[in-house]
Amino acid sequence: QVQLQESGPGLVKPSQTLSLTCTVSGGSLNSGSYYWSWIRQPAGKGLEWIGRIYGSGNANSNPALSSRVSLSVDTSKNQFSLRLTSVTAADTAVYYCARGSRFLGWQFDYWGQGILVTVSS
Amino acid sequence: AIQMTQSPSSLSASVGDRVTITCRASQDVRGDLGWYQQKPGKAPKLLIYAVSSLQTGVPSRFSGSGSATDFTLTISSLQPEDFATYYCLQDYDYPLTFGPGTKVDIK
Repeated sequence: QVQLQESGPGLVKPSQTLSLTCTVSGGSLNSGSYYWSWIRQPAGKGLEWIGRIYGSGNANSNPALSSRVSLSVDTSKNQFSLRLTSVTAADTAVYYCARGSRFLGWQFDYWGQGILVTVSS
Repeated sequence: AIQMTQSPSSLSASVGDRVTITCRASQDVRGDLGWYQQKPGKAPKLLIYAVSSLQTGVPSRFSGSGSATDFTLTISSLQPEDFATYYCLQDYDYPLTFGPGTKVDIK
């Protein structure tokens, strides 16, 4: 059974960098049949796709955030990570990591439980 | 970016009702459309992929249809556990974009 688990600080100061890691168990990041994404959701609002990365390291991010987003993968640890620079209160949200599957039209079949990140001084 | 809209934004229904939610894309997304269910405090759950394919383990009362820019999620007989918010997601083009959601609550 594939499981994803987000980790990182729950509180980040404005203008600083948000760093989150997603640890994957029960599956390998190396497979070309999957990609690994970050998605966020402000309280009471909808879902916003942040970006995705393959086990090869190829990555794409949302143009609305791309100047501040950096994605990386560590296949030896079965982890992938998100860095979001220059955060503001608007970046306060629950952040999810998720797996996109080629077998499911690249939709997301496994999700982490989510981690609340608050941007505040 | 492809804009996704959903209607209605919310609806009230009773157990046993047939419920239909519509998702519209600002341009053709081919068959790259999925539907998710989200309950409070939980991660979204994939229900439908590729417009009409039922994800493993999802009850058959859920179905999807549509093409190009217009898509529909139907719940044939609403059950108590179906009260939730539903989102569509297009993964045809970058950036991936979700619809704003449809909240289904108890009448």
